[in-house]
Amino acid sequence: SAVISQKPSRDICQRGTSLTIQCQVDSQVTMMFWYRQQPGQSLTLIATANQGSEATYESGFVIDKFPISRPNLTFSTLTVSNMSPEDSSIYLCSARGGPGGYTFGSGTRLTVV
Amino acid sequence: AQTVTQSQPEMSVQEAETVTLSCTYDTSESDYYLFWYKQPPSRQMILVIRQEAYKQQNATENRFSVNFQKAAKSFSLKISDSQLGDAAMYFCAYRYQGGSEKLVFGKGTKLTVNP
Repeated sequence: SAVISQKPSRDICQRGTSLTIQCQVDSQVTMMFWYRQQPGQSLTLIATANQGSEATYESGFVIDKFPISRPNLTFSTLTVSNMSPEDSSIYLCSARGGPGGYTFGSGTRLTVV
Repeated sequence: AQTVTQSQPEMSVQEAETVTLSCTYDTSESDYYLFWYKQPPSRQMILVIRQEAYKQQNATENRFSVNFQKAAKSFSLKISDSQLGDAAMYFCAYRYQGGSEKLVFGKGTKLTVNP
């Protein structure tokens, strides 16, 4: 199955700034997914990113706050914009990694101060 | 909308014993996948086991097995001969076979393994 390299692994950011998280997959994948995991909580899907088209956002998430790029079949970025302390979470990317299976990046722990 | 419910926020088991984690889901679809993922403190999501809804046979992976009851919409995970390394958060997840490929996760069960 696919292997995903995600970076940064953690960051501490000032409120009002933006952070871009990168995910690199070691094989071509059609769809990539971005999740948010708030402290002690489950994973919530932010958006689905297809190569060559606009990302599809879930209810409660908007492109202005979480712009996503998907320039090719092995790479995607998620930007958390104009951050506030409420954005402090773990952010994970994911991709289909075989029949019915999914692979995840190792996550980015974001703290906004 | 599909939902996944894990009714046990925390579970504990003695090393070498067996533990069962519960999961129920709600869907109107007939073709779908169900998953159990493990998330240790490292944050890495690790696939434990996968079940296709059309298969009547319960999936097994070494010490991990599921009890899939399609009519009851139940998908429990049994861990046999528990090991200290099994301690983690366990998430049950659902994916509809057609359309969007997104996963819907339950809230998770924190498993503690006592030596």
